[in-house]
Amino acid sequence: DAGVIQSPRHEVTEMGQEVTLRCKPISGHDYLFWYRQTMMRGLELLIYFNNNVPIDDSGMPEDRFSAKMPNASFSTLKIQPSEPRDSAVYFCASRPPSGVGNTIYFGEGSWLTVV
Amino acid sequence: AQSVTQPDIHITVSEGASLELRCNYSYGATPYLFWYVQSPGQGLQLLLKYFSGDTLVQGIKGFEAEFKRSQSSFNLRKPSVHWSDAAEYFCAVGPRGGANNLFFGTGTRLTVIP
Repeated sequence: DAGVIQSPRHEVTEMGQEVTLRCKPISGHDYLFWYRQTMMRGLELLIYFNNNVPIDDSGMPEDRFSAKMPNASFSTLKIQPSEPRDSAVYFCASRPPSGVGNTIYFGEGSWLTVV
Repeated sequence: AQSVTQPDIHITVSEGASLELRCNYSYGATPYLFWYVQSPGQGLQLLLKYFSGDTLVQGIKGFEAEFKRSQSSFNLRKPSVHWSDAAEYFCAVGPRGGANNLFFGTGTRLTVIP
């Protein structure tokens, strides 16, 4: 089975540019999570969806960040405009429906550098 | 409030030596418990999980963990470490049967020396 697929794996962009990160969750999973990992703050949950609906976006740092899930097999995390402090690894993760277990499966991450 | 503590930021062990990584949690009830491993430049891979039943759980790559309710701990162990085990290890807790996400510890970096 294919795991959680993220793209791009690496991106270097200039401050002020728009960044779009993409994620395809595991088929059949109805929860999707976006995490950010930095040295200073560790792993932080940004937002999560259930059945394509955003459930908790309290971790989204500010209005420059937005996330969408137009269908069960695709989600995006957008940063506009990007700033150097957004440099981090962004992980997408998915989870099967409740009752099947709470195991969250992670993608390999998108390494973002904003210069 | 829920929290996960991994008191050891960095551990160095010799190849072939035994390993124990500590994890303590604070939670309203017995949660689901997980250990993930992150190799350099990679995502997080699930090592093992505890939901219920036997408090000693076996995982991949020869790892095991023991849930101790009285100590609110879920320590990870391996009897003989291999050089390929060098990575960052994260303990995580999540609510039973509910929605939402996992709470992660800050991680323990493992260095393996020859």
